[in-house]
Amino acid sequence: AQSVTQLDSQVPVFEEAPVELRCNYSSSVSVYLFWYVQYPNQGLQLLLKYLSGSTLVESINGFEAEFNKSQTSFHLRKPSVHISDTAEYFCAVSLPYNQGGKLIFGQGTELSVKP
Amino acid sequence: GAVVSQHPSRVICKSGTSVKIECRSLDFQATTMFWYRQFPKQSLMLMATSNEGSKATYEQGVEKDKFLINHASLTLSTLTVTSAHPEDSSFYICSALAGLLGRETQYFGPGTRLLVL
Repeated sequence: AQSVTQLDSQVPVFEEAPVELRCNYSSSVSVYLFWYVQYPNQGLQLLLKYLSGSTLVESINGFEAEFNKSQTSFHLRKPSVHISDTAEYFCAVSLPYNQGGKLIFGQGTELSVKP
Repeated sequence: GAVVSQHPSRVICKSGTSVKIECRSLDFQATTMFWYRQFPKQSLMLMATSNEGSKATYEQGVEKDKFLINHASLTLSTLTVTSAHPEDSSFYICSALAGLLGRETQYFGPGTRLLVL
């Protein structure tokens, strides 16, 4: 079975500072990895994903995540955050869907960017 | 691309009534859709997997007779909460599976907030 652990439930940070949201997963087989962002009272938006290939993936708004197989991690980073990045961030894993995969979510990390 | 909508966005109903929530994939066809439930300050809990033209697969502990799922077309899945009670109040989110085989990704709707009085 797969599981996801987000190590920080809340991350307060000042505007323009760098941030890292940590995510570790557990799986005995290869998985897909995702980061989703949820703004208040909204659904989830896909931020970035790792399916295969390059272990460093980037989003269009400056976030990046690196798949580290040896450490079973998929930490999310941004070198300089904005107030508008304040949201809940969810890390998730899944098996390929043709293998019966379903998204398994971490508990979420609340990123709070202060001026 | 890969836009998913939900309707209604918010619904208030009396205890004992039934509520239907629609989930639509707007610019793609989705053979598979998912229904989640989210309590305040918590993560998403998968309720069921909805496959077009077949019965939904429910997760353990989810009452299939209470949460009726219909996936009658490749762009529409509905969740009906039957005889709703206050404990059913929650944020319900659907997602639809899109992408090439082996590179599928779930795209989420904006959610429906249900309040049962």
